[in-house]
Amino acid sequence: EVQLQQSGAELVKPGASVKLSCKTSGYTFSNYYMSWLKQMPGQNIEWIGNIYGGNGGTGYNQKFKGKATLTVDKSSSTAYMDLSSLTSEDSAVYFCARGTKTYWYFDFWGPGTMVTVSS
Amino acid sequence: DIVLTQSPVLAVSLGQRATISCRASQSVSISSINLMHWYQQKPGQQPKLLIYRASNLASGIPARFSGSGSGTDFTLTIDPVQADDIAAYYCQQSRESPNTFGAGTKLELK
Repeated sequence: EVQLQQSGAELVKPGASVKLSCKTSGYTFSNYYMSWLKQMPGQNIEWIGNIYGGNGGTGYNQKFKGKATLTVDKSSSTAYMDLSSLTSEDSAVYFCARGTKTYWYFDFWGPGTMVTVSS
Repeated sequence: DIVLTQSPVLAVSLGQRATISCRASQSVSISSINLMHWYQQKPGQQPKLLIYRASNLASGIPARFSGSGSGTDFTLTIDPVQADDIAAYYCQQSRESPNTFGAGTKLELK
C-alpha cells in the first residue's frame, strides 16, 4: 500500500525557515517524482515543484524559485522541502504528492502539513 | 501559465446527475492525449485522484464518476450523486509547466 507520511504542524516566526518532510512507503521511491503543493485556507492548489527520487533532479514553478528547495534522502525514501524567508503569505497547508512520470498527475497525496507564520 | 476556470458552486439533489465543467485558457491536449485530471477534496483532507487523462477512472473510484472532453473543455460527471460526494472538485492540467489547478467547484445539496 502506497503511503506518504508528512511531518507535523509548524508555527514559525517571520523571516525564519522551516523544513518539511514526506516519508514514503509501499513503492519504489527512486522510480517516481515527488511534487510539493501549497493550499492556502479556502484557496486554490498551487504546484511548487517536483523532484525525482532516482537522481534528485528538480523542477520548480518560477513563482516559488528562491522560496522552496526540494531534496530527497533515497536511503529513507523521504522527500524534503525547505521554505525560506517566511512571511504571512507562506501560511498554508503543504502537501506532498506522488507524480506519475509520463502524464504528470498526482496519484497519491500526503495528509498535508500546516505551516503558520506568526510572531 | 494555463488558467483553468471552474464554476465556484454547483447545487444538486441526491440521486441526480452532477456535471462539473473546467475550461482551459489554451488547449491541454497533445494529439489524442488529454492532459486534464480531476480530484476530489473533502474539508480537512488531502485531494484524491478521481480521473486522469480526462476520462480514465483512477483505482478504487466508483463507476458513478466519469470524465470527458478534449482541447479546452472538460467535464466531470457524477451520476447518481450520493451524500458522500459532497466535496470540492478540482481540475488540473499537465500540458505545460507549471501544472495548474482550477479554483475548484463546491458540490452542495439543494
